Amino acid sequence: KAGVTQTPRYLIKTRGQQVTLSCSPISGHRSVSWYQQTPGQGLQFLFEYFSETQRNKGNFPGRFSGRQFSNSRSEMNVSTLELGDSALYLCASSLEGGGNSPLHFGNGTRLTVT
Amino acid sequence: AQKITQTQPGMFVQEKEAVTLDCTYDTSDPSYGLFWYKQPSSGEMIFLIYQGSYDQQNATEGRYSLNFQKARKSANLVISASQLGDSAMYFCWRGTASKLTFGTGTRLQVTL
Repeated sequence: KAGVTQTPRYLIKTRGQQVTLSCSPISGHRSVSWYQQTPGQGLQFLFEYFSETQRNKGNFPGRFSGRQFSNSRSEMNVSTLELGDSALYLCASSLEGGGNSPLHFGNGTRLTVT
Repeated sequence: AQKITQTQPGMFVQEKEAVTLDCTYDTSDPSYGLFWYKQPSSGEMIFLIYQGSYDQQNATEGRYSLNFQKARKSANLVISASQLGDSAMYFCWRGTASKLTFGTGTRLQVTL
């Protein structure tokens, strides 16, 4: 079975631009969640989607948004990028979401905002 | 908020020794799962082991075991016979049907 695929692996953007990150879950997994990881703030939860609906949301500004498609693939968008958005963005999929089944993570997208 | 606490920001262990990484959690849910993940410097988060709140026995997966003490709300990860490749960040997670929370992690360094 193919694992979770995140694209792109690396991205460099300038302040004020927007960016879209993509995540393809493991086949059959209906939940996709997104996390931001920085040296200063550590790992933080962004949001979770389950069957195309946002089920949980972390404490991030509205510049961070996401969606999930009918094939469970998910995208995350960050608009009006700020320097502080530089981070490793991790996507994870699971069968049921929540805490009933393990998360399987992608390799992450390293975003650098200059 | 229902917290996960990992009190050891960093730990050192000698190769071939065993090490215990601590994790305590708050919960008012009767049903939950506990997970440990490893994150090497390359960045990917790797699932290690799972313990369900109703499981009677402690979970084991190869060199990893979970010392689950439900009454104390602790779920410590034990790594036996440490290897250099075990050097990484380790995160403890707790999940209910609708929500996951995680700790701040412990950085483990395995030395020769």
